[in-house]
Amino acid sequence: QVHLVESGGGVVQPGRSLRLSCAASGFTFNTHGMHWVRQAPGKGLEWVAVIWSDGTNKYYADFVNGRFTISRDNSKNTLYLQMDSLRAEDTAIYYCARGHDILAGFLDNWGQGTLVTVSA
Amino acid sequence: DIVLTQSPLTLPVTPGEPASISCRSSQSPLHDNGYNYLDWYVQKPGQSPQLLIYLGSHRASGVPDRFSGSGSGTEFTLKISRVEAEDVGVYYCMQVLQTPFTFGPGTKVDIK
Repeated sequence: QVHLVESGGGVVQPGRSLRLSCAASGFTFNTHGMHWVRQAPGKGLEWVAVIWSDGTNKYYADFVNGRFTISRDNSKNTLYLQMDSLRAEDTAIYYCARGHDILAGFLDNWGQGTLVTVSA
Repeated sequence: DIVLTQSPLTLPVTPGEPASISCRSSQSPLHDNGYNYLDWYVQKPGQSPQLLIYLGSHRASGVPDRFSGSGSGTEFTLKISRVEAEDVGVYYCMQVLQTPFTFGPGTKVDIK
């Protein structure tokens, strides 16, 4: 059974950094692309980034603008999102989701999310 | 970027009646392999999103057969043949053909 558990959320001041983690279990982690998706309070879903199964390629939403870095450690079955220069508008629940195939693909399993609040 | 628009944005439904949601894409999500990289997700109240339909028309594992996806070109539709109370939530289409991947704005389905 696929299990994705996000952690690392919290309250952070504008301009500071935060690193989110997503622990994966129940599947062969290094054969799936992985995504981050976020949802601001009361708003819709917003795709953030994807990383291929081997970590060689990463793609980001336009709003990231070099501030976030997606990475993975296949030896630890863990996905990361390093978020720098955080802004109030980055306040959201951040979900990790499994891509269906080795590159990206549709998001076939989602975690429960971790809340990031950017506030002074 | 590929922009997805959904209609309606809110959909009051009567249990037992059919319902339909439209997703229009600014570009065709058709991949060279012949599949439409257009998927549907639902987020039920208080829950994480979950996959409903993938590659335009394939039901995800465990999804009741009252849900169906169809479409081609830039027009796609999610249909519920007979709405049940448990179907309330927000429905999103998403394209994964071209980065940045994008979601539609969502359609909130609730019971009349």
